[in-house]
Amino acid sequence: QLQLQESGPGLVKPSETLSLTCTVSGDSISSSGYFWGWIRQSPGRGLEWIGSTHYSGNSKYNPSLQSRVTISVDTSKNQVSLKLTSVTAADTAVYYCARERPVNGQRLAAFWGQGTLVTVSS
Amino acid sequence: DIVMTQSPDSLAVSLGERATINCKSSQSVLYSSNNKNYLAWYQQKPGQPPKLLIYWASTRESGVPDRFSASGSGTDFTLTISSLQAEDVAVYYCQQYSGNPPYTFGQGTKLEIK
Repeated sequence: QLQLQESGPGLVKPSETLSLTCTVSGDSISSSGYFWGWIRQSPGRGLEWIGSTHYSGNSKYNPSLQSRVTISVDTSKNQVSLKLTSVTAADTAVYYCARERPVNGQRLAAFWGQGTLVTVSS
Repeated sequence: DIVMTQSPDSLAVSLGERATINCKSSQSVLYSSNNKNYLAWYQQKPGQPPKLLIYWASTRESGVPDRFSASGSGTDFTLTISSLQAEDVAVYYCQQYSGNPPYTFGQGTKLEIK
């Protein structure tokens, strides 16, 4: 049974780096053909796709965040990580880890973790 | 970016009645090369993450009850729940996953029991 468990600090100071980890169980990042990514949700911005990657590379990011975001995988730990630099209050959101199904050249968020709330505040 | 606009923002329907939610995209999400609409629908219940219901605009995800159906092509799409059940109370989102990122979502439609 697939499970995605997000973890990381719930409070980050403005201008610092937000770092989250998603631990995957029930699937192997390095053997499946799926993409692994992050989506966030806030009252003001709704649902916002951040980006995703495949263990072999092929990362895609939201252009509005591309200069600040990095998504990577650690196959030895079966984990996906998110780093978002220079955060502001606008980055306050629930962050979801997602497994994306490759679909005819695109990617579809077919399974989501429970999410973790990150607040940006001094 | 492709803007997704849902209507209505909220909807109250009696148990057993039909619920219809609309989604409009600012650009077509239909690929002529494969005749597929890159449009998905999600259901989010309180305190839970979104759950994929429909993809390719009309294909139900495995395990989704057949009272959920969807249709549309190009820029106009509809999600229908044929006979509303109490467990269907949720916020419903459409999302386009076509072309280059970002893959954008609608603002959501809150479905309640009348």
